[in-house]
Amino acid sequence: TQLLEQSPQFLSIQEGENLTVYCNSSSVFSSLQWYRQEPGEGPVLLVTVVTGGEVKKLKRLTFQFGDARKDSSLHITAAQPGDTGLYLCAGLTGANNLFFGTGTRLTVIP
Amino acid sequence: NAGVTQTPKFQVLKTGQSMTLQCAQDMNHNSMYWYRQDPGMGLRLIYYSASEGTTDKGEVPNGYNVSRLNKREFSLRLESAAPSQTSVYFCASSVDLTPTGELFFGEGSRLTVL
Repeated sequence: TQLLEQSPQFLSIQEGENLTVYCNSSSVFSSLQWYRQEPGEGPVLLVTVVTGGEVKKLKRLTFQFGDARKDSSLHITAAQPGDTGLYLCAGLTGANNLFFGTGTRLTVIP
Repeated sequence: NAGVTQTPKFQVLKTGQSMTLQCAQDMNHNSMYWYRQDPGMGLRLIYYSASEGTTDKGEVPNGYNVSRLNKREFSLRLESAAPSQTSVYFCASSVDLTPTGELFFGEGSRLTVL
């Protein structure tokens, strides 16, 4: 059962453009994490959001947790080639199970 | 810093063969995990170990066994490999099973079953 759907699945943009990636579910999560994965490596944690409506900023990346704690978004401003990678959201259920989303593969073209 | 180390990085098996994926972490973490990653499916939890001496099934445990050998090491065994087990396997660890705990991943082991 796939609890978390990410969109778009693939995204290719020019350097300097803005983009938003979405992570949606019908389930409520106690917290939600975003990871970035580069080819040949494991995912690396970017951020954890815990409170409904919470917004966190990490340089050019802005993360938001939905008010109902069922969805999240990642917005990147002025994308750079170094942002290229697979972005994964992961939601923690009340039973302490962490479910990963389907992933968004981002390519930023110089 | 080694972090989480997995071996082997690549393996090709024939259907029915067995193998063990090894994982070790040097961060003194209590909890360890095995995930598989397939295109369009994200990461799915196979087994996890909340602490030394305990193991529990995750989302997709069928066809796999695990052993938490000690606090550092957590191995994943395929007793009779099947083509459906072709995947990239990731080991991860965390301080413990806290709700906001960060997972630290290894570099992955790419397994192909012919």
